[in-house]
Amino acid sequence: AQSVSQHNHHVILSEAASLELGCNYSYGGTVNLFWYVQYPGQHLQLLLKYFSGDPLVKGIKGFEAEFIKSKFSFNLRKPSVQWSDTAEYFCAVNSPGTYKYIFGTGTRLKVLA
Amino acid sequence: DAMVIQNPRYQVTQFGKPVTLSCSQTLNHNVMYWYQQKSSQAPKLLFHYYDKDFNNEADTPDNFQSRRPNTSFCFLDIRSPGLGDAAMYLCATSRAETSGIYFGPGTRLTVT
Repeated sequence: AQSVSQHNHHVILSEAASLELGCNYSYGGTVNLFWYVQYPGQHLQLLLKYFSGDPLVKGIKGFEAEFIKSKFSFNLRKPSVQWSDTAEYFCAVNSPGTYKYIFGTGTRLKVLA
Repeated sequence: DAMVIQNPRYQVTQFGKPVTLSCSQTLNHNVMYWYQQKSSQAPKLLFHYYDKDFNNEADTPDNFQSRRPNTSFCFLDIRSPGLGDAAMYLCATSRAETSGIYFGPGTRLTVT
């Protein structure tokens, strides 16, 4: 069965610091990969996705993620965080041909002004 | 705006008293999902529909049932809620396996 691991449960950064959140998945076949964000009091929103092509994908609000197949990883990055990036971030995976999306446990990011 | 709507946003029920949560969508997506999310945990897939085809997760308790009478609506029925069923219930939709899924705001269920 597929699983998704996010090892950083809580991250605290100062504004302008660089961000990298880890995501690893267990499935050995082809996968589609996603990052979702949940701002305080809001619902989960898609941040970016990868399903083929360039392994470095860019999403909204300056976020990007890199798919490294050999490491089963899809880490999320942002060069310079803002206070407004304070949120919970979830990595998710599904397999082509299925509609099941499996989520990681999330990383709570707090950005200090 | 096209969206996923969940009603009610907050639901309080008594231990053992059946409860139904509702979800509707204006996105016209084929796939609809119910996830359960407890504090500090990953959203856990309970079941999903591809059109009218129902797909139950193996570890979803029998206490949880779902209905999808048409493309736009989907319901989650909890037949005999226990204290452990208190959680946020998220409805979501999807158009294609590469499109990602679109979440509603959730219904927070409290069991007293």
